[in-house]
Amino acid sequence: QFQLVESGGDLVRPGGSLRLSCEASGFTFTNYGFYWVRQAPGKGLEWVAFIRHDGVNKYYADSVRGRFTVSRDDSKSTLYLQMNSLKIEDTAVYFCSHFDVWGRGTQVTVS
Amino acid sequence: DVVMTQSQLSLPVTPGQSASISCRSSQSVAHRDGNTYLSWFHQRPGQSPRRLIYKVSIRDSGIPDRFSGSGAATDFTLKISRVEAEDVGIYYCMQSSHWPITFGQGTRLDIK
Repeated sequence: QFQLVESGGDLVRPGGSLRLSCEASGFTFTNYGFYWVRQAPGKGLEWVAFIRHDGVNKYYADSVRGRFTVSRDDSKSTLYLQMNSLKIEDTAVYFCSHFDVWGRGTQVTVS
Repeated sequence: DVVMTQSQLSLPVTPGQSASISCRSSQSVAHRDGNTYLSWFHQRPGQSPRRLIYKVSIRDSGIPDRFSGSGAATDFTLKISRVEAEDVGIYYCMQSSHWPITFGQGTRLDIK
């Protein structure tokens, strides 16, 4: 069945960098665009980024544009989120998703 | 940005009764392709969200028909018939017709 598994979350200092990964299995990765969505502690869902199935078009929330970069490696069925210049307000659980399928999330703490 | 507003932050419901959760957008979420990309998600404590409904009224696979979505343009409703204990959690609406994608702030459903 469809499965997404995130990894790479960690505790990082403000101004630091982190790269999240999301490995997909159980479906044809190249057929789908993917989203990153985050959830700060005790808060709601916030869309972060999207990459189209062909990797050409990418969209970002204003809060992360210029600092975060979404990419994909189709040979590894893996989605990435490179996060630079991290801020305290980036602290959240980060989910990768195709909206009908969600990973379990990975915790990013900026402190 | 399209602001999604869920007016009810909390909704206590008696088991077996129905619940309606409303979601209003600051502008129409009808897409120029003719579709309206309005979805509903359910998130239980400590779990990932799960999509229930997409394109206003289409249930995802495995979602019981107790869940139904309706609405158009700027006003949308998720109805849960015969509420069960497993329905507790937070319900979010989301529009993906316009960038950036935006979520409502969530409605917490509790069992009385």
